[in-house]
Amino acid sequence: QVQLVQSGAEVKKPGASVKVSCKASGYTFTDFYVHWVRQAPGQGLEWMGRIITKSGEAGYPEKFHGRVTMTRDTSITTVYMELTSLTSDDTALYYCVRDGRTWDLDQWGQGTLVTVSS
Amino acid sequence: DVVLTQSPLSLPVTLGQPASISCTSSQSLVRSDGNAHLTWFQQRPGQSPRRLIYKVSARDSGVPDRFSGSGSGTDFTLKISRVEAEDIGVYYCMQGIHWPWTFGQGTRVEIK
Repeated sequence: QVQLVQSGAEVKKPGASVKVSCKASGYTFTDFYVHWVRQAPGQGLEWMGRIITKSGEAGYPEKFHGRVTMTRDTSITTVYMELTSLTSDDTALYYCVRDGRTWDLDQWGQGTLVTVSS
Repeated sequence: DVVLTQSPLSLPVTLGQPASISCTSSQSLVRSDGNAHLTWFQQRPGQSPRRLIYKVSARDSGVPDRFSGSGSGTDFTLKISRVEAEDIGVYYCMQGIHWPWTFGQGTRVEIK
């Protein structure tokens, strides 16, 4: 079955960077884009961008431009999301999500908690 | 950015009774091919979101038929015909037609 398994929780200091991984299995990796969505504690969902797994091309909303980078390694069917210049506002659960191919999202990873604290 | 406005934000329900959540978009969610695309997710406490409905009204595999989606253009609705205890959680609508993709604020469904 389709699975997206993410790396474990991280604690970072303000100003640092974090890189979260997402291992995909159960389907042809390069047939589906992968997105990242985050959720601050007790808050709603926020879309961070997506990567085209076949080409490696990534796109991000203006809010995250210059701070987020999405990459992939097709040999190990893994997608990465790196976020730099962390502040306490970046404390959140970060989810990788497979594109549903109908302008939506279908399968979600289990989430990775990133805590930014001095 | 496209703003999705959900109402209500909190929905106390009685088990066995119907429930309805509205999602209104600031722009049309109809593509050039004439099809509308609006997705509904359910997030149970402590879990990742789960897709329930896509393309306005298509139900995902394994989703009970008490869930239904409807709407067109800018106004969409998620209905639960008879609420069960396992339906408790937060429901989000989402659009992926316009960049950046956006979510509604979420509607918390709880038992009265």
